[in-house]
Amino acid sequence: GQQLNQSPQSMFIQEGEDVSMNCTSSSIFNTWLWYKQEPGEGPVLLIALYKAGELTSNGRLTAQFGITRKDSFLNISASIPSDVGIYFCAGQKGEGAQKLVFGQGTRLTINP
Amino acid sequence: GAVVSQHPSRVICKSGTSVKIECRSLDFQATTMFWYRQFPKQSLMLMATSNEGSKATYEQGVEKDKFLINHASLTLSTLTVTSAHPEDSSFYICSARKPGTSRETQYFGPGTRLLVL
Repeated sequence: GQQLNQSPQSMFIQEGEDVSMNCTSSSIFNTWLWYKQEPGEGPVLLIALYKAGELTSNGRLTAQFGITRKDSFLNISASIPSDVGIYFCAGQKGEGAQKLVFGQGTRLTINP
Repeated sequence: GAVVSQHPSRVICKSGTSVKIECRSLDFQATTMFWYRQFPKQSLMLMATSNEGSKATYEQGVEKDKFLINHASLTLSTLTVTSAHPEDSSFYICSARKPGTSRETQYFGPGTRLLVL
């Protein structure tokens, strides 16, 4: 099935560094969602974006809905050890009970 | 936010047996739930969309007779893996759509780890 192109696939950073990851698509999405998944658990919603150009923050996390509606990015500032995990972007094309399309995930590893 | 639970959290079964996994929305009613499968180090792959009171919609390549879905109430959907085989071993995750808002989000359960011996 269709997937979003998420990059990078993995990141190895030092504690305190900022992190940036993004998702792109060849088609338009009306909603972009960012989730974090830790080992053995389900994804947890971090940020939801509903409008092109929208910039939303959740603590140290900031995400933007690209103006073309074909991309989104997630930034994490001043990373801490508990930020470790896999981050997924997900796009939704329409309103109603529309299914999500997921990116491949970005695995974040932090060296203390 | 919203809370979605799954039961069991992990199950080990013998090849050929059937396994039922429950997905519940605890603090909201969900007319639509989704079932995903995730293999190690891979992304989530949608298996089917579960609609309360009607038949589930399966994604291409997912056998509806093998993965039976029942959404009998607004807070419960079940996935039954029939005649399970080792290749069905995976992490199964459900999500529920929270209605009543123009801003759509899906909330995920904690997942069920299935190991078929």
